[in-house]
Amino acid sequence: GAVVSQHPSWVICKSGTSVKIECRSLDFQATTMFWYRQFPKQSLMLMATSNEGSKATYEQGVEKDKFLINHASLTLSTLTVTSAHPEDSSFYICSARDRKIFGQMNTEAFFGQGTRLTVV
Amino acid sequence: AQKITQTQPGMFVQEKEAVTLDCTYDTSDPSYGLFWYKQPSSGEMIFLIYQGSYDQQNATEGRYSLNFQKARKSANLVISASQLGDSAMYFCAMREGDKKTSYDKVIFGPGTSLSVIP
Repeated sequence: GAVVSQHPSWVICKSGTSVKIECRSLDFQATTMFWYRQFPKQSLMLMATSNEGSKATYEQGVEKDKFLINHASLTLSTLTVTSAHPEDSSFYICSARDRKIFGQMNTEAFFGQGTRLTVV
Repeated sequence: AQKITQTQPGMFVQEKEAVTLDCTYDTSDPSYGLFWYKQPSSGEMIFLIYQGSYDQQNATEGRYSLNFQKARKSANLVISASQLGDSAMYFCAMREGDKKTSYDKVIFGPGTSLSVIP
């Protein structure tokens, strides 16, 4: 099946610093990538939809200046958590949809392994 | 408003028995897709099964089947012959178009924690 690689798997950073998380589709081109945040024992909350070559669409309540998303190519999207605070500590996970079969409703979104961010 | 509801925060099932995980959804879009994902403690999301809103038959994938009742807006997951490795979080998800942006998105329900007892 299609592979989405997310890096890093875990990261610890100091409060006030920025952290970049990468999401790569390894064997397909992704028109759309999704970024989710998941707190312990909770569901995945969609943060933003990242479309190649255009600005990301953020969900209500998500600060676009704090969570910078760049989707510069069909295989890479990045999420940068700027000026991280302890409350940003969470599990961040991306998913991507294959460009070739984009538009078909039954296209599953392939997920990365997730990134566990801890801000100290 | 909650788009996807999973009313069972936690479920227990005896090994080799069948179990049904509930999912109801809310949408006014005639075209949508429903997914079930499994998330073990490692955090990865594993795709299990898909049901399209226009599909006439219930989806099946091995031990997984989806009981789709469109009029009731429910898409329950049935796992037959439960195995110890089935213990995980299970999420129901829906893909629908976003009228504001014209792109579609996938949103998740709150999840059900399934524990299989030997």
